[in-house]
Amino acid sequence: NAGVTQTPKFRVLKTGQSMTLLCAQDMNHEYMYWYRQDPGMGLRLIHYSVGEGTTAKGEVPDGYNVSRLKKQNFLLGLESAAPSQTSVYFCASSSGTGESQPQHFGDGTRLSIL
Amino acid sequence: GQNIDQPTEMTATEGAIVQINCTYQTSGFNGLFWYQQHAGEAPTFLSYNVLDGLEEKGRFSSFLSRSKGYSYLLLKELQMKDSASYLCAVRDSNYQLIWGAGTKLIIKP
Repeated sequence: NAGVTQTPKFRVLKTGQSMTLLCAQDMNHEYMYWYRQDPGMGLRLIHYSVGEGTTAKGEVPDGYNVSRLKKQNFLLGLESAAPSQTSVYFCASSSGTGESQPQHFGDGTRLSIL
Repeated sequence: GQNIDQPTEMTATEGAIVQINCTYQTSGFNGLFWYQQHAGEAPTFLSYNVLDGLEEKGRFSSFLSRSKGYSYLLLKELQMKDSASYLCAVRDSNYQLIWGAGTKLIIKP
């Protein structure tokens, strides 16, 4: 019953440090997404993937990189963290984009950049 | 640009009915979703509308009018556990979800 699992759940970084957020899904979904959620704003898409080995930019991709080497995993990297990247990061997956196929979300990673 | 508008916060009484509105202006329309998000937790899927009209799921119903760019989520027989944020999202012409900022619903006994 795992669904979408994100690690870590919390992290504090100093400006300029790098880190990787891991997302794993066990539903055999083709599509995976990384969002950030900030107070007073809707979820904003950072990057997404429509299948293993593919990635694409979303609405706010600057400062982030992603990789999808295995179908079940989607990694989000911050090469040089900035205070503006303090946020809650959610990973989601879906079986497709047709009809009512909803996105399923992980529990989020709360990231603070000092 | 693309825009989803929802009220920031609403208050209702346990056992009552509440309607949360969502208006949208997007480049294309390929369906509208409602999600529930409890504080500190992940959003969870509630409902999907792609055709005009009402979709009912137990205590929750969702309505869509594509010509008016308008949807609402109706919650009946409110329970304390319904205290959460409700997110409206529209799938645009690129099949990406555009999200509203969410409506925080406070239920009072």
